[in-house]
Amino acid sequence: GNSVTQMEGPVTLSEEAFLTINCTYTATGYPSLFWYVQYPGEGLQLLLKATKADDKGSNKGFEATYRKETTSFHLEKGSVQVSDSAVYFCAHSGGSNYKLTFGKGTLLTVNP
Amino acid sequence: SAVISQKPSRDICQRGTSLTIQCQVDSQVTMMFWYRQQPGQSLTLIATANQGSEATYESGFVIDKFPISRPNLTFSTLTVSNMSPEDSSIYLCSVVGTSGSPRAKNIQYFGAGTRLSVL
Repeated sequence: GNSVTQMEGPVTLSEEAFLTINCTYTATGYPSLFWYVQYPGEGLQLLLKATKADDKGSNKGFEATYRKETTSFHLEKGSVQVSDSAVYFCAHSGGSNYKLTFGKGTLLTVNP
Repeated sequence: SAVISQKPSRDICQRGTSLTIQCQVDSQVTMMFWYRQQPGQSLTLIATANQGSEATYESGFVIDKFPISRPNLTFSTLTVSNMSPEDSSIYLCSVVGTSGSPRAKNIQYFGAGTRLSVL
């Protein structure tokens, strides 16, 4: 079946540290892959996406590459800021029904 | 991107009562969904809200507990019926964008959510 497994949190980093949040998935076919971010007290916002193998999604300094061979979509940022503190969700959608399957979310806290 | 307004933003309810959550979109959209996010958990799809017909529910969710309406392409409601403390969650409406730039199309946008606490 469809599933998303992402790194358990919480993750605590100092400002300007390097961030990696791992995400792997199982799906039939070739799903689109997404990272969503949820800031405290807010709804989900799309951070970045990739729709086919080897695509790299990027936004606000965050990057993730669609790796079909390892079924992964790891989120990275070279230098995190305090304002990046949030919960990050990896997700995929398959086929044409747009239903999203989410990972459990990873809480990131960045300290000054 | 679509602008989604969800009301109420939060509520505290007594067990046994029902709450109706509204989702209003600023443009016509084909796909609308309702999700639940239980405390400390990920999002789980409740159902797809179908315009003019009964919603399509995911496994574990039933119409009697979560009746959904979608009278047109910009509005939907989710009712949480006969609530118990286990229904305390964030409920989110989402839509799939169908207009705008290619980057905006086929992206799922979320409302800010309704934070429900059941006592």
